[in-house]
Amino acid sequence: DGGITQSPKYLFRKEGQNVTLSCEQNLNHDAMYWYRQDPGQGLRLIYYSQIVNDFQKGDIAEGYSVSREKKESFPLTVTSAQKNPTAFYLCASQMRSNQPQHFGDGTRLSIL
Amino acid sequence: GQQVMQIPQYQHVQEGEDFTTYCNSSTTLSNIQWYKQRPGGHPVFLIQLVKSGEVKKQKRLTFQFGEAKKNSSLHITATQTTDVGTYFCAGPRGSQGNLIFGKGTKLSVKP
Repeated sequence: DGGITQSPKYLFRKEGQNVTLSCEQNLNHDAMYWYRQDPGQGLRLIYYSQIVNDFQKGDIAEGYSVSREKKESFPLTVTSAQKNPTAFYLCASQMRSNQPQHFGDGTRLSIL
Repeated sequence: GQQVMQIPQYQHVQEGEDFTTYCNSSTTLSNIQWYKQRPGGHPVFLIQLVKSGEVKKQKRLTFQFGEAKKNSSLHITATQTTDVGTYFCAGPRGSQGNLIFGKGTKLSVKP
């Protein structure tokens, strides 16, 4: 069954800690995206990657980092520099430009 | 920079009433996409409109793309409780396939 898998579903971060959110897709899509969703704010783009070993900053990249070593995987690290990390994080993939994006189930990150 | 705005932010309707959400872009769009996010869920693609003045229907949902390709609307006829959720419009930004999303319209339906 093809799709996007995000894990974990819930994550708690301690002060000064880095945490990594996993995103894996088996749709053979070239492009992958990370969004942050806060209540009433819609979806804001954190990072995106069009091809393996390449990625670009989105609108709110500060305090986040990514890697794209494999086509299937696009993990997001929320660093301690991100002072307000509590949010719902969504990963998406897309076959090519102007095609629909497919989303994972999301990860809810909270601060302990 | 480029903006996509949606109104209203919230809409509460009685079951059976109609519902419309409007989307306006600060720039001309090559296409516009609509997504639905159920409470606690993730956005799910509904439809893409490409042509100026295009109208597409999916059962009780009617989607329109404006003549100038800067605005769009989603109309739901005779809402049902299954229509509850947040509806987002999104347009491409630049040439790399990024989408810029509106903030969404949250629909609640009272049975």
